[in-house]
Amino acid sequence: GQNIDQPTEMTATEGAIVQINCTYQTSGFNGLFWYQQHAGEAPTFLSYNVLDGLEEKGRFSSFLSRSKGYSYLLLKELQMKDSASYLCAVRDIGAGGGNKLTFGTGTQLKVEL
Amino acid sequence: NAGVMQNPRHLVRRRGQEARLRCSPMKGHSHVYWYRQLPEEGLKFMVYLQKENIIDESGMPKERFSAEFPKEGPSILRIQQVVRGDSAAYFCASSAQGARGEQFFGPGTRLTVL
Repeated sequence: GQNIDQPTEMTATEGAIVQINCTYQTSGFNGLFWYQQHAGEAPTFLSYNVLDGLEEKGRFSSFLSRSKGYSYLLLKELQMKDSASYLCAVRDIGAGGGNKLTFGTGTQLKVEL
Repeated sequence: NAGVMQNPRHLVRRRGQEARLRCSPMKGHSHVYWYRQLPEEGLKFMVYLQKENIIDESGMPKERFSAEFPKEGPSILRIQQVVRGDSAAYFCASSAQGARGEQFFGPGTRLTVL
């Protein structure tokens, strides 16, 4: 099975930097995704890591260490609109071709003035 | 280029009725996934389908739930004899490739069982 842990909630200040951590345990790792989900809306794709290291995309960066089963999402220059739930999801090579995503429960980020 | 489409967006059913949720993948995508999100919980995988085939249904409840993705038309998630515990948001996602494709999510169908 899989186990994904991320903090339940975080609070940060507009303009600051925040790091959201995710740890996972899986038997056949095949990539880690970060999604953003505003209340009542669909998850939207933010980043994808399959190799170790940092992937940067504008104000968002994501890091992966496969040996440690660890990832983080870094958000810079926080804006009020970044207040949302951030979902860590792991894909593993399991039954059926390996494209099933297992999601953490999400980290609710609140950006304050 | 339209994204993943789901309908209806909101569905209300009484206990014992049937619910049918539809999903049209993004143009060019042949892989469809259904996820369920209960209030205050994370997304849970239900089923992964390609055209006319169920690839992985390890997350589907054993009874009352079924899914299909016919050669023509949208993917359908069908819930028979709904119960209050089925109330949730049901999200569909699609990808262009199976094991390597990024999944794009639809807006979801919010099912309420009275």
